[in-house]
Amino acid sequence: EAGVAQSPRYKIIEKRQSVAFWCNPISGHATLYWYQQILGQGPKLLIQFQNNGVVDDSQLPKDRFSAERLKGVDSTLKIQPAKLEDSAVYLCASNPRDTEQETQYFGPGTRLLVL
Amino acid sequence: AQKITQTQPGMFVQEKEAVTLDCTYDTSDQSYGLFWYKQPSSGEMIFLIYQGSYDEQNATEGRYSLNFQKARKSANLVISASQLGDSAMYFCAMRERSSARQLTFGSGTQLTVLP
Repeated sequence: EAGVAQSPRYKIIEKRQSVAFWCNPISGHATLYWYQQILGQGPKLLIQFQNNGVVDDSQLPKDRFSAERLKGVDSTLKIQPAKLEDSAVYLCASNPRDTEQETQYFGPGTRLLVL
Repeated sequence: AQKITQTQPGMFVQEKEAVTLDCTYDTSDQSYGLFWYKQPSSGEMIFLIYQGSYDEQNATEGRYSLNFQKARKSANLVISASQLGDSAMYFCAMRERSSARQLTFGSGTQLTVLP
């Protein structure tokens, strides 16, 4: 079974530029998550999708961040315009059933550096 | 208040010895799950072990075991017979039914295994 795919793996941009990250979850997984992990910290949830609907985006900075999962499969996270403090690893995760007993399966992450 | 607390920013252990990584949690839910993840320098988040709040026995997975003390709200990870490849960041995380089953992470412990 293929794992969670993310691209690109690395991205370097200048502040005020825009950037987009892509995630393809494990086939059949209804729930998809985007996390931001700043260096030296644990991941922080940005947004959670159930199929193509948003379950929680309370920690997404909506003035600059947006995310979509139009067909309930793959997802795109966008930052526009980027700030220096957005430098982080962006992790995508999925799971088949949204229960507290189920682990989430993580992709390799996208490392973003904003100069 | 922090939901997950990992008080050891860094730990060192000699190869082939056992090591305990501490984790305490805070929740008022009756049903929750506790997870440990390993994050090597390459960045991927690798699931290690799970403990459910209703599980009476401590979870074990190979060289990993979880010392679950529900009354004290602690879920320490024990790694036996440490190997050089165990050097990584380790995160404790929790999913609660009341918070849409989102994963909340601690700040992590950097483990270094010495030859």
